[in-house]
Amino acid sequence: EAQVTQNPRYLITVTGKKLTVTCSQNMNHEYMSWYRQDPGLGLRQIYYSMNVEVTDKGDVPEGYKVSRKEKRNFPLILESPSPNQTSLYFCASSLSGQGRAEQFFGPGTRLTVL
Amino acid sequence: GESVGLHLPTLSVQEGDNSIINCAYSNSASDYFIWYKQESGKGPQFIIDIRSNMDKRQGQRVTVLLNKTVKHLSLQIAATQPGDSAVYFCAENSGYSTLTFGKGTMLLVSP
Repeated sequence: EAQVTQNPRYLITVTGKKLTVTCSQNMNHEYMSWYRQDPGLGLRQIYYSMNVEVTDKGDVPEGYKVSRKEKRNFPLILESPSPNQTSLYFCASSLSGQGRAEQFFGPGTRLTVL
Repeated sequence: GESVGLHLPTLSVQEGDNSIINCAYSNSASDYFIWYKQESGKGPQFIIDIRSNMDKRQGQRVTVLLNKTVKHLSLQIAATQPGDSAVYFCAENSGYSTLTFGKGTMLLVSP
């Protein structure tokens, strides 16, 4: 089944404790992206990747890192999480990075930083 | 945790009615638009897209209308069903690789 998977689905952590949220897609998509979703603010892009070893900042990159060492994986790294990073996170992928293509979303990761 | 549905404009309809969800986009250079549906506890799911060289596009029970003059997009759902209850987002693409999402509208369908 073609899908985007994220792990973990739920995470409660404390300020300053490094964490990684994994994202994997099995559709051989070039483009992958991370979003955060907050009430009243909608979906905002954190980082995106056009292809392996190519990453770029989205609208709200502060406090996040990403890497794209393999085509299928695009982990989101929070080196020192803070409470304002409490949010619902979605990974997405699409066939091409040209923007004019459907993005497939993962099921989401709900992160709480205490 | 707090639902993403809070703070959103809400459209309440009866089962069988037609629903119209509106979206104003911001960038006159945007040339590709998508509607997504997000059910509670799930990621957004693609519904339909439209390019700027079109005014209208139809899918199964859904129609998207684009008015570039006033930068307005609408999603029409025919014969709305309880399973259509969700948050609906429009998204616009004005650059190479970025989709900008609207804040969403919650659709509530009563049996």
